[in-house]
Amino acid sequence: AQSVTQPDIHITVSEGASLELRCNYSYGATPYLFWYVQSPGQGLQLLLKYFSGDTLVQGIKGFEAEFKRSQSSFNLRKPSVHWSDAAEYFCAVGAGQAGTALIFGKGTTLSVSS
Amino acid sequence: GAVVSQHPSRVICKSGTSVKIECRSLDFQATTMFWYRQFPKKSLMLMATSNEGSKATYEQGVEKDKFLINHASLTLSTLTVTSAHPEDSSFYICSARDQFGRVEQYFGPGTRLTVT
Repeated sequence: AQSVTQPDIHITVSEGASLELRCNYSYGATPYLFWYVQSPGQGLQLLLKYFSGDTLVQGIKGFEAEFKRSQSSFNLRKPSVHWSDAAEYFCAVGAGQAGTALIFGKGTTLSVSS
Repeated sequence: GAVVSQHPSRVICKSGTSVKIECRSLDFQATTMFWYRQFPKKSLMLMATSNEGSKATYEQGVEKDKFLINHASLTLSTLTVTSAHPEDSSFYICSARDQFGRVEQYFGPGTRLTVT
């Protein structure tokens, strides 16, 4: 069965420091991978996605993620965190078939300290 | 482009009443829409998948008679919580995939339901 694991429930990073959020997936076919961000009481905003091609993908707000098939990972990174990055981050995997939903990890809460 | 709206953004209803939540794709046609439920500090739980013009497919453990889903057009899906109880209080989020079958889902801003 497909699954997504985000091992870190809560991470605190100092403003200006680098960030890496971990995501591991279990999926039988070629995965379509996503990172979403959610601010309190808000919906989900797509940060970036990986479908194929270059394994290092760039997203919005200075985020990037690297797909590593050998490790079944899709970790999210940012070189310098801003206080406004504090939010909930979700990794998700999707199927190629039309009409199928995304499978989400449990999320990682990012806090940014000054 | 690819904007999904939800209405209302917040609703408070009394126990035993029904409440309808609308999900609209504003600038594309959504052949498939999804309804998720999110508990505090928790991930999104898929409730059901709805395809335009056909019955929704519910996930295991989701009561289809309690959570009525209608996808009557390519731009509108509705979720009706019938005979609501306090335990139905939650954040409900819809998403949509476009008519071209692309994998991406576009999410609505969510609806906060509080049942008193």
